[in-house]
Amino acid sequence: EADIYQTPRYLVIGTGKKITLECSQTMGHDKMYWYQQDPGMELHLIHYSYGVNSTEKGDLSSESTVSRIRTEHFPLTLESARPSHTSQYLCASSGVGGPSTGELFFGEGSRLTVL
Amino acid sequence: AQSVSQHNHHVILSEAASLELGCNYSYGGTVNLFWYVQYPGQHLQLLLKYFSGDPLVKGIKGFEAEFIKSKFSFNLRKPSVQWSDTAEYFCAVNNNAGNMLTFGGGTRLMVKP
Repeated sequence: EADIYQTPRYLVIGTGKKITLECSQTMGHDKMYWYQQDPGMELHLIHYSYGVNSTEKGDLSSESTVSRIRTEHFPLTLESARPSHTSQYLCASSGVGGPSTGELFFGEGSRLTVL
Repeated sequence: AQSVSQHNHHVILSEAASLELGCNYSYGGTVNLFWYVQYPGQHLQLLLKYFSGDPLVKGIKGFEAEFIKSKFSFNLRKPSVQWSDTAEYFCAVNNNAGNMLTFGGGTRLMVKP
């Protein structure tokens, strides 16, 4: 059972609003990730972090930003949401060995709709 | 850059039918390969993985996958599917030096009872 939690699970907001998607893990993992997934499409890595105060952009450009002030939290923020941001956002974490061991643990996702 | 292709976006099978989901990747070096599964309303979870050794890998719930290096493929198989196998299946790859997984587009499997 994965111990990684995302809130909210579903969010519908208007254009221009600021939103933060929360992600927390209780496994003490150093590495955390945000993936974006449109229906029927690949998961694309948009942000990752290897530890506190470490954040990097992934292979898909995103207007969102992330922070990693504490090991267990990796929130994602959109300062001004637009309809093009409508998507599902998946948070994941991994421990020793990281993705090389394949042991990514995923949250249940946050489905964002921007009207 | 590495990429992963899953050719079947939607598959519908009856219970007890055999399953094979295709996965091809593009990367010339040594890779690690994975299949993840997402059951309805649940999070993505690891189904099986290949690092080295026997190219036929067995995972949970009777699934297996075969790594064919010459074909750059890592197809997922199950001899007899059950209704509970209804889910979305994702193939993923990373190279030995990489720190990120690249995912395919997923295959949505529906098993009719």
